[in-house]
Amino acid sequence: SQTIHQWPATLVQPVGSPLSLECTVEGTSNPNLYWYRQAAGRGLQLLFYSVGIGQISSEVPQNLSASRPQDRQFILSSKKLLLSDSGFYLCAWSKGQGSTYEQYFGPGTRLTVT
Amino acid sequence: KNQVEQSPQSLIILEGKNCTLQCNYTVSPFSNLRWYKQDTGRGPVSLTIMTFSENTKSNGRYTATLDADTKQSSLHITASQLSDSASYICVVSANYGQNFVFGPGTRLSVLP
Repeated sequence: SQTIHQWPATLVQPVGSPLSLECTVEGTSNPNLYWYRQAAGRGLQLLFYSVGIGQISSEVPQNLSASRPQDRQFILSSKKLLLSDSGFYLCAWSKGQGSTYEQYFGPGTRLTVT
Repeated sequence: KNQVEQSPQSLIILEGKNCTLQCNYTVSPFSNLRWYKQDTGRGPVSLTIMTFSENTKSNGRYTATLDADTKQSSLHITASQLSDSASYICVVSANYGQNFVFGPGTRLSVLP
């Protein structure tokens, strides 16, 4: 069976510090991978998605970047965090591209920028 | 603009009671609609998915309905349990690209 991992589970970082969140998927190959941010009282916002190693698409301009160094690894980064980067970050995977494919979410990372 | 609205924002019910959550959307062209359950501090888990031609889908005590003409969906929970306490998120997909539009969710609290 497939599982998706995210770490760390929680993170408190000062403004201006770097960020690295990691997501890995087990039990499947060549998944589509996604990074979402969930702000309090608002719907999930798609930040990045990837259909293969080294292939990253950005949905919104922002202070963050993503990389996919391996087939089942997806990393979310920032060189200098802003207060507005605080939120709940979710990684997800799907078997294919498009709305007909189910997305499976990881447990999330709670990021607080102070 | 593609949008998904949900009501109520929050709901408190007693264990054993039924409840209905609402979702209105303006996503076009419509592909499908999903309901997710998200426990506090966890990732969402899919409950149901409905395409244009489906007007009802059940998953245990959860029953979702879809009216594609009025662009409305509802999620009915029967005989609620304490474990139903969670946020319920309506997600509507457009028929192109990676276009998933997430609603803000309804926070349900089931009290003993």
